[in-house]
Amino acid sequence: GAVVSQHPSWVICKSGTSVKIECRSLDFQATTMFWYRQFPKQSLMLMATSNEGSKATYEQGVEKDKFLINHASLTLSTLTVTSAHPEDSSFYICSARRRTSGEGYNEQFFGPGTRLTVL
Amino acid sequence: AQSVTQPDIHITVSEGASLELRCNYSYGATPYLFWYVQSPGQGLQLLLKYFSGDTLVQGIKGFEAEFKRSQSSFNLRKPSVHWSDAAEYFCAVGAPLRYKLSFGAGTTVTVRA
Repeated sequence: GAVVSQHPSWVICKSGTSVKIECRSLDFQATTMFWYRQFPKQSLMLMATSNEGSKATYEQGVEKDKFLINHASLTLSTLTVTSAHPEDSSFYICSARRRTSGEGYNEQFFGPGTRLTVL
Repeated sequence: AQSVTQPDIHITVSEGASLELRCNYSYGATPYLFWYVQSPGQGLQLLLKYFSGDTLVQGIKGFEAEFKRSQSSFNLRKPSVHWSDAAEYFCAVGAPLRYKLSFGAGTTVTVRA
């Protein structure tokens, strides 16, 4: 159990276009989903935290108008990179926190990631 | 705020040899601690976690980690590595009742035949 999927797994787009990435918890309800960005050979940088039905909380330095996050249901969150530019090329990973208590309270389950390349 | 330091950027180990990856954390109380592994182009897989209790934690793929409060460390070990263990390893810390994880910079493990 606790599987998180992302779609697409990779995407190539032209500069100036928008790209939507989906993150789904397949077999559990996720009260909170997280979006990370990872540059080559670097660690994960948290971009934003989204709770179902409420606005996302963005980390300092992350442009909320550029990276639109929607958490429409307990199993789906989307990240839209608007007006993408080459510097937005990166590996985007989502994670989901399962709706539970006790030891599972803080555990996040990660998706396989989406490779975005902006030409 | 919590933070994580992984002192070793890159470790090369022979197949069959033992492996130890270091992780030091900074947090005012007992944190939640995690080790994740990432293969190239893939997401993160949880190897093991520590929340409380026994300070020696067993994980998947033959990995274990030991929480040492006095040293603020959570080092990962494997007695005998396999070529498939070549990957990037991340240590992460989370504060209890908070949802954010802070990741270390990662350690790249190369396994030579």
